[in-house]
Amino acid sequence: EAGVTQSPTHLIKTRGQQVTLRCSPISGHTSVYWYQQALGLGLQFLLWYDEGEERNRGNFPPRFSGRQFPNYSSELNVNALELEDSALYLCASSLAKRTGGSGEQYFGPGTRLTVT
Amino acid sequence: GQSLEQPSEVTAVEGAIVQINCTYQTSGFYGLSWYQQHDGGAPTFLSYNALDGLEETGRFSSFLSRSDSYGYLLLQELQMKDSASYFCAVYSAYSGAGSYQLTFGKGTKLSVIP
Repeated sequence: EAGVTQSPTHLIKTRGQQVTLRCSPISGHTSVYWYQQALGLGLQFLLWYDEGEERNRGNFPPRFSGRQFPNYSSELNVNALELEDSALYLCASSLAKRTGGSGEQYFGPGTRLTVT
Repeated sequence: GQSLEQPSEVTAVEGAIVQINCTYQTSGFYGLSWYQQHDGGAPTFLSYNALDGLEETGRFSSFLSRSDSYGYLLLQELQMKDSASYFCAVYSAYSGAGSYQLTFGKGTKLSVIP
């Protein structure tokens, strides 16, 4: 069974630019989560999508946005990049149980974004 | 708000047992998860406790006490490959109906030495 995949692996952008990161969940998983992990820090929750809808977002500015497609893949968009956006962006997926979401999430390898 | 506390670093000897504690403060608590992350790698799901008690999966066990807002991850027969960061994460209801969130602690860096 294929795991969560993300693209690209690495990305270098300059301040003010925009970036789009992509994620494909495990087959059968309907929930996709995005996290930011700055160097040496824990994971900060960004967004949760399920069944094509945004279910929750973390404490990040509106220039962080995303969407989920009918095939449950997802994009994370970051506009007006700032230096502090440099981080590992992780996507995770899970089966959305009856109550929605799960503490059991499966992560992709991440996209390393460097903003100069 | 939500907060999780876990030790920043732990060192243990190969073959030994180590316990990584996690205390949390949150509302709308559903369960406690543990994740392992090797340097440069992605977090890997280890366990999820929704009920009080100990759950064992091979060399790893996870414990939860909801009344004490406390849990721990127990690693037995430590191997060098267990050197990694271990994160506890609280799964809880967020604002709004049907909204949930997994909130991670800052992680415990485990170093296994010969």
